[in-house]
Amino acid sequence: GAVVSQHPSRVICKSGTSVKIECRSLDFQATTMFWYRQFPKQSLMLMATSNEGSKATYEQGVEKDKFLINHASLTLSTLTVTSAHPEDSSFYICSARRSGELFFGEGSRLTVL
Amino acid sequence: GESVGLHLPTLSVQEGDNSIINCAYSNSASDYFIWYKQESGKGPQFIIDIRSNMDKRQGQRVTVLLNKTVKHLSLQIAATQPGDSAVYFCAEGLYGGATNKLIFGTGTLLAVQP
Repeated sequence: GAVVSQHPSRVICKSGTSVKIECRSLDFQATTMFWYRQFPKQSLMLMATSNEGSKATYEQGVEKDKFLINHASLTLSTLTVTSAHPEDSSFYICSARRSGELFFGEGSRLTVL
Repeated sequence: GESVGLHLPTLSVQEGDNSIINCAYSNSASDYFIWYKQESGKGPQFIIDIRSNMDKRQGQRVTVLLNKTVKHLSLQIAATQPGDSAVYFCAEGLYGGATNKLIFGTGTLLAVQP
């Protein structure tokens, strides 16, 4: 069964609103989680590394103020897309490591109207 | 930034045939490689991994080959089945790295014809 859970799986929002996506590690603690973005027919692009209890590390070109990451507990990381615009519409995927292996969530599809 | 208008390379095979999916990785310092399968609308699913001290590793119906000289990775799927239809990504990283940060390749769409 799934060891990393994402919620919501699909979300539609209006332009200018903020959307929060949750990533939970089930039955294990994850000090580090990763957030990826995937556009249609493209690869996964690493956005940021989420560290429990400290600030996230963002990849070059990813706006920190646009994509807020909070890793407040060892089982939960959240990604908030602030003031979303249609170009933010994408598939957002998180991953967490357990026993040396990375497990991915099922993804969250964001559509901004 | 991301490229736009990309079309995934596609490999079309007949059911029962063997499939070979190729990947060129970019960082010569990478020592850990993973193949993932991604079905439509879902997250990546681990298939098999290999460390740089090996050049071949076998799993159930899958084999990964690593050629460090030319920075090339391949995934072989034996007796391909319709359920194998998906996009396959290779990923590279540093084994035992503090963050397990992975960089994904562009992906290949495997289409299995019945």
